[in-house]
Amino acid sequence: DAKTTQPPSMDCAEGRAANLPCNHSTISGNEYVYWYRQIHSQGPQYIIHGLKNNETNEMASLIITEDRKSSTLILPHATLRDTAVYYCIVRDRDDKIIFGKGTRLHILP
Amino acid sequence: EAGVAQSPRYKIIEKRQSVAFWCNPISGHATLYWYQQILGQGPKLLIQFQNNGVVDDSQLPKDRFSAERLKGVDSTLKIQPAKLEDSAVYLCASSLVAQGEQYFGPGTRLTVT
Repeated sequence: DAKTTQPPSMDCAEGRAANLPCNHSTISGNEYVYWYRQIHSQGPQYIIHGLKNNETNEMASLIITEDRKSSTLILPHATLRDTAVYYCIVRDRDDKIIFGKGTRLHILP
Repeated sequence: EAGVAQSPRYKIIEKRQSVAFWCNPISGHATLYWYQQILGQGPKLLIQFQNNGVVDDSQLPKDRFSAERLKGVDSTLKIQPAKLEDSAVYLCASSLVAQGEQYFGPGTRLTVT
């Protein structure tokens, strides 16, 4: 079973920051937080991952709370192309990925 | 860099027939994964290969599903005989190292009637 809880859907206006929350209250010390997204009719795409420090790359930022029980994926300037299902995954580096149902993000023009 | 290639993209078969899917991973990627994604759900891992050896096939229904990666490069996934509940998208992914960042192909959408 997935170890994370995400809202089933969210809306965000185009050009605004999209903030996608994820709860992982049972995360253990050696488990990472990963984010993937899946655009309609495509395979999932890796976005970012982190252990305890905040991370940023060209796609997004990942903010992990100090107690590591929750995190937020931030898309700084959402575009229509960011409409997708976003999966938050908690896993040890040696474990397989277990996908939950994710959050369906709608970017509104 | 070419991505993960899969074929066919779509397949419609009747129940009890057999079907095969093909995957060519990113060049140099040692690890290959097959996932099943039923409509409305996240992908579920069926089997993981490290080179040409099976690492994890715990969720593969072995009475009807089989997979091989004979030369440690491309792979085939077969279903024989198919059931209605096998209707899904079958995704192939690869990673440079085991459990590294995975790169997914576009998937094969299977419809069993």
